[in-house]
Amino acid sequence: EDQVTQSPEALRLQEGESSSLNCSYTVSGLRGLFWYRQDPGKGPEFLFTLYSAGEEKEKERLKATLTKKESFLHITAPKPEDSATYLCAVQASDFNKFYFGSGTKLNVKP
Amino acid sequence: EAQVTQNPRYLITVTGKKLTVTCSQNMNHEYMSWYRQDPGLGLRQIYYSMNVEVTDKGDVPEGYKVSRKEKRNFPLILESPSPNQTSLYFCASSLKYGIGKNIQYFGAGTRLSVL
Repeated sequence: EDQVTQSPEALRLQEGESSSLNCSYTVSGLRGLFWYRQDPGKGPEFLFTLYSAGEEKEKERLKATLTKKESFLHITAPKPEDSATYLCAVQASDFNKFYFGSGTKLNVKP
Repeated sequence: EAQVTQNPRYLITVTGKKLTVTCSQNMNHEYMSWYRQDPGLGLRQIYYSMNVEVTDKGDVPEGYKVSRKEKRNFPLILESPSPNQTSLYFCASSLKYGIGKNIQYFGAGTRLSVL
């Protein structure tokens, strides 16, 4: 069964304190792994797509990496505006279906 | 402005009263999908559509119907809502459903309460 697990469920950081969020997956034939950011009262907003093990992508303070079993979202020197829920999703062998993790709620305190 | 528009944003209804949540996108996207989001369960796919008149079930289709008569619209229909359908619903669209064109853009969500 295709499954996506994110950890931790919640993370509190001080401004400037770097950390990583984890997304582990069990899918039949990974086609793509996606990271989204979700702010309260809004829909998820796309951040990154990764397609193969070893791939990395960066955007400002965020860096996403992918292995054969998991993905990490590294946050370097976070700011309060990085506070949000971060969602991981995978697209498996059936191109039409997407499986989401339950998210990591990040709170960055000034 | 490129966007996915859902209506209504909030809806309170009673068990058994048919309702429709509308979804419209202005990006000429082929692929559209509906999700529900529940605490601790994440986003779960209800139905998706690869193009006009082509729809299929996601992981949790029971109690829902969809139609895709026009490319831009993908309404979600609950013919006899029940309390276990109380949830936050999101519509999403992407250019296509293949590799490299499958970034989904989401609407702002519809919060549904079924009493």
